[in-house]
Amino acid sequence: DTAVSQTPKYLVTQMGNDKSIKCEQNLGHDTMYWYKQDSKKFLKIMFSYNNKELIINETVPNRFSPKSPDKAHLNLHINSLELGDSAVYFCAGRLGYGYTFGSGTRLTVV
Amino acid sequence: GENVEQHPSTLSVQEGDSAVIKCTYSDSASNYFPWYKQELGKRPQLIIDIRSNVGEKKDQRIAVTLNKTAKHFSLHITETQPEDSAVYFCAASAANAGKSTFGDGTTLTVKP
Repeated sequence: DTAVSQTPKYLVTQMGNDKSIKCEQNLGHDTMYWYKQDSKKFLKIMFSYNNKELIINETVPNRFSPKSPDKAHLNLHINSLELGDSAVYFCAGRLGYGYTFGSGTRLTVV
Repeated sequence: GENVEQHPSTLSVQEGDSAVIKCTYSDSASNYFPWYKQELGKRPQLIIDIRSNVGEKKDQRIAVTLNKTAKHFSLHITETQPEDSAVYFCAASAANAGKSTFGDGTTLTVKP
């Protein structure tokens, strides 16, 4: 069983559209994260949720809205997509102290 | 907040040689230091970690060292193989921070 799964793997969309990325974890841990990896490979935290509650928001534009319906799911909704949003987005769960990442979603805004 | 610097940004070695990647951190409260390996097109995966009460940890060909006084830690890979080629990230976190702060990554290329 995959510990952290996210869909879709690839997402190509036009500027101005709204899109969602879904994430599910079966690690049994309460904390989940969204990270953004840009073209230079830098990994930057966007959000963290603990048991459905937002605990970290790293000055991400409010076009990005995470939604956690339960502690096993953390979805990312993005409104009014811009060219600069193109990146790989990783969901992660925390098992012990280390992270387990999902397979990533490559978002391309054209 | 925590700031993690990682060097070098790129590293090229011959197969069989050793590779060393170094990181420094700023927050003295940080007590957990993981390393992640990201192969091309794949997810980052935890390969080894060290906690602040330990100075060194080994797992086969990889080892990590930690100097709390100097606030730096390093990843050592011995007898490198082409499959070690990847981007390596160091990270640091404090128990109450709720997150890890990542270095900018090192692209390691092992030439056959």
